[in-house]
Amino acid sequence: ETGVTQTPRHLVMGMTNKKSLKCEQHLGHNAMYWYKQSAKKPLELMFVYNFKEQTENNSVPSRFSPECPNSSHLFLHLHTLQPEDSALYLCASSQDHQAWYEQYFGPGTRLTVT
Amino acid sequence: EDQVTQSPEALRLQEGESSSLNCSYTVSGLRGLFWYRQDPGKGPEFLFTLYSAGEEKEKERLKATLTKKESFLHITAPKPEDSATYLCAVEGNTPLVFGKGTRLSVIA
Repeated sequence: ETGVTQTPRHLVMGMTNKKSLKCEQHLGHNAMYWYKQSAKKPLELMFVYNFKEQTENNSVPSRFSPECPNSSHLFLHLHTLQPEDSALYLCASSQDHQAWYEQYFGPGTRLTVT
Repeated sequence: EDQVTQSPEALRLQEGESSSLNCSYTVSGLRGLFWYRQDPGKGPEFLFTLYSAGEEKEKERLKATLTKKESFLHITAPKPEDSATYLCAVEGNTPLVFGKGTRLSVIA
């Protein structure tokens, strides 16, 4: 595997379910990011981790819970989501959190909340 | 509040028909402006970083320019494989802010 991978690629869940999204980067980077991309809206930064420490939480509701066990893996735990949370969730990584622009994105997880 | 506005929302070009995409921004303390390309079903792919007014960057048929209020992505003699959504983002005193993108279609 190369670059940034995300699993699953598609997820359908009910509002009472608990699920997790997984991201793995094979680039030796130290910073990882979660973004939300909704139709007709700009890409929204959710969380930033630098050397496993969370450095940014962009006012994200608590029903989204990130976890970064090491610099290569990032999870997004989901629980009691709302239909408006349906979107493409993108993971990205960069050498460190100062190199915002040199972010490498994964293919995303298409989430549908029913 | 930092803002990015991209225009047009969608652009349809014939192969070989050159054009420009616009990214207007308001930001406190611009640290950088970035262009990305996003293909359907994929994450964005980094294209360019611009740091100061007057700066230009080129890559194949693409050329990005920056003024104090906007950036242009010029596409010269586009090909069908240039079809994608082009995203602009700025970094100021707040985390990266993206525009909604311009969806480019190049018809053979």
